[in-house]
Amino acid sequence: GEDVEQSLFLSVREGDSSVINCTYTDSSSTYLYWYKQEPGAGLQLLTYIFSNMDMKQDQRLTVLLNKKDKHLSLRIADTQTGDSAIYFCAESRSGNTPLVFGKGTRLSVIA
Amino acid sequence: DAGVIQSPRHEVTEMGQEVTLRCKPISGHNSLFWYRQTMMRGLELLIYFNNNVPIDDSGMPEDRFSAKMPNASFSTLKIQPSEPRDSAVYFCASRKTETYEQYFGPGTRLTVT
Repeated sequence: GEDVEQSLFLSVREGDSSVINCTYTDSSSTYLYWYKQEPGAGLQLLTYIFSNMDMKQDQRLTVLLNKKDKHLSLRIADTQTGDSAIYFCAESRSGNTPLVFGKGTRLSVIA
Repeated sequence: DAGVIQSPRHEVTEMGQEVTLRCKPISGHNSLFWYRQTMMRGLELLIYFNNNVPIDDSGMPEDRFSAKMPNASFSTLKIQPSEPRDSAVYFCASRKTETYEQYFGPGTRLTVT
C-alpha cells in the first residue's frame, strides 16, 4: 500500500538551513507536496512538484526529488523562528485522488 | 478568494449528542476531502467527494459518522451519537483537479465530554 515516512523532529539554529526528508513507497506517485502547519492552524500548502521534475525552487524553499530512491526533501534557507512548525510531506497519483500524508516533521528553530 | 471555510471553529458537546460540522469549499473546486487529526493517529482521510459524489468513505470510523455534499458549495460531516474518542480536529480540504493544489480549511476542534 501507499506509505509516506518522515522523521519526527528536527532542530536547527536561526540562520542555518533546514533540510526535511521524506520517503514514499508508491511508484505511481505523480505529485508530491509539502505542507506547513502552525499551532492551532490548518495545513498551508507550501509547494508541490511533479514526478517528472528533479528540483523546484521558490524563494527560500528548495524541493529536491529523487524518483529512483522515492526520496523527497525540503530545504529552507536562512531558517527563521517563524519557520517553526510541523511540515507534512504528501503524495498523490492524480489530480482527484486523495493525498497520502506522512506523520509530519516538527521543526524547532533555536534563536 | 476566502479559502475553505469551516464552521464551527470549536465545538464542545456531551457524549451522545449529535454534532454537525460544515464546510464550504473554494469556488470552482470539484473535489472535497474530510480529514481528522489526532496526536495518536495523525492525519486520517475520512471521506472524499468528486463533483459532489462520494467516492471513498472507507476511512469513516463507524456508522455513527456520515457525510453529505448536496451541492458544489457545501458539505457536512455528522456524528450521531458522539463519543469522547471522537475528540479531534476535523479538517475539510478542496481541490481543483486541473491544478493539483489542495487547500485546507482552518479546522473544527471537537471536544466530546
